[in-house]
Amino acid sequence: AQSVAQPEDQVNVAEGNPLTVKCTYSVSGNPYLFWYVQYPNRGLQFLLKYITGDNLVKGSYGFEAEFNKSQTSFHLKKPSALVSDSALYFCAVRDRDSGYSTLTFGKGTMLLVSP
Amino acid sequence: DGGITQSPKYLFRKEGQNVTLSCEQNLNHDAMYWYRQDPGQGLRLIYYSQIVNDFQKGDIAEGYSVSREKKESFPLTVTSAQKNPTAFYLCASSKSTVTNTEAFFGQGTRLTVV
Repeated sequence: AQSVAQPEDQVNVAEGNPLTVKCTYSVSGNPYLFWYVQYPNRGLQFLLKYITGDNLVKGSYGFEAEFNKSQTSFHLKKPSALVSDSALYFCAVRDRDSGYSTLTFGKGTMLLVSP
Repeated sequence: DGGITQSPKYLFRKEGQNVTLSCEQNLNHDAMYWYRQDPGQGLRLIYYSQIVNDFQKGDIAEGYSVSREKKESFPLTVTSAQKNPTAFYLCASSKSTVTNTEAFFGQGTRLTVV
């Protein structure tokens, strides 16, 4: 079985400050990890993914995420938040070692960036 | 211009009716998925298909049906057996279910029961 937890329903940050959106995962094997963003009444847009190798992954729009195997975490970060970053963020996991599997998503974290 | 197209964007259904949501992709992806999104519950998998003429139930398949007669198309039918169908429905595709590739999503269909 695989699962994802996003412990915060909402994260508030002021524009220009660094932001972190938390994600922890559980898989029986090794994970593929993904972050997506969703704007109101729209589909999900892919931000970045961890496959293997370097634990720090850089993605679209200045976002990055750090894979921590010992803590089973994959937190999303950005050094300086923009008001336009306000959206719903989803973390997702797929078990790399299960042969085949679908993506399992967390419940999402709403990011609100204030001017 | 490659991508996934869902139609219609908004759909209204009377109680007791079946409705079909369209999903078409021109990305040449083998795998396609249907998710349901409800506030505070994230995305829940309804059905997925790894290849033409094959599909598998996801976590919440009851009251839904699908078909995969063509690689490009994966329509979802919401039947009258689905007790609470009002939700935002998202279709996605990926190269396959066995690779590390990301899924691409359509813009969604918002279904409301009236």
